[in-house]
Amino acid sequence: EVQLVESGGGLVQPGGSLRLSCAASGFTFSDHYMDWVRQAPGKGLEWVGRTRIKADTYTTEYAASVKGRFTISRDDSKNSLYLQMNTLKTEDTAVYYCARDDGYYVLWGQGTLVTVSS
Amino acid sequence: EIVMTQSPATLSVSPGERATLSCRASQSVSSNLAWYQQKPGQTPRLLIYGASTRATGVPARFSGSGSGTEFTLTISSLQSEDFAVYYCQQYNNWPPITFGPGTKVDIK
Repeated sequence: EVQLVESGGGLVQPGGSLRLSCAASGFTFSDHYMDWVRQAPGKGLEWVGRTRIKADTYTTEYAASVKGRFTISRDDSKNSLYLQMNTLKTEDTAVYYCARDDGYYVLWGQGTLVTVSS
Repeated sequence: EIVMTQSPATLSVSPGERATLSCRASQSVSSNLAWYQQKPGQTPRLLIYGASTRATGVPARFSGSGSGTEFTLTISSLQSEDFAVYYCQQYNNWPPITFGPGTKVDIK
């Protein structure tokens, strides 16, 4: 079955860190750019960032709102995508989705909730 | 950054009626425009990509049109399962990928 499964969400204090994971299955993970997209409670969708494939030297790009605080990485040997989130702010509270990047997003994970609160 | 806007914010429609949703880009995105449907508590579902190509399994009552800066999603005859929030997304100029704020289609 083609799917993405996120994990690692939870409650963290402002200024804290959290690492999200996304396990891919059912497709050739290493052939695809992979993105993180988030959705704050009751709000719309916001692109967080992207990692390219090995042929493109695994380069990454980030939204301005998270640049310098968040890091996206991948392990093709484990078919896994990661989002390291540091210096978290209350406004980072959201459901975080990993998504396969075909330009548009056909395949999404179920999402993992990150709550930043004291 | 390309800014996406959607109108109206809320659209009240009776079942069986036609719904027309608009999406505008702050600069041309060619035909690199996608539409998503999201129901409460669910993951977004891709409906349309390339401005007018239906994704696999999407009913024919959904159609997309437009290019450049003006796009439309039409639902020809609303079914009960179509009441949801709809987002447009451009993937022509990035980073960043940008989404519209959404149009909520609710029952009139």
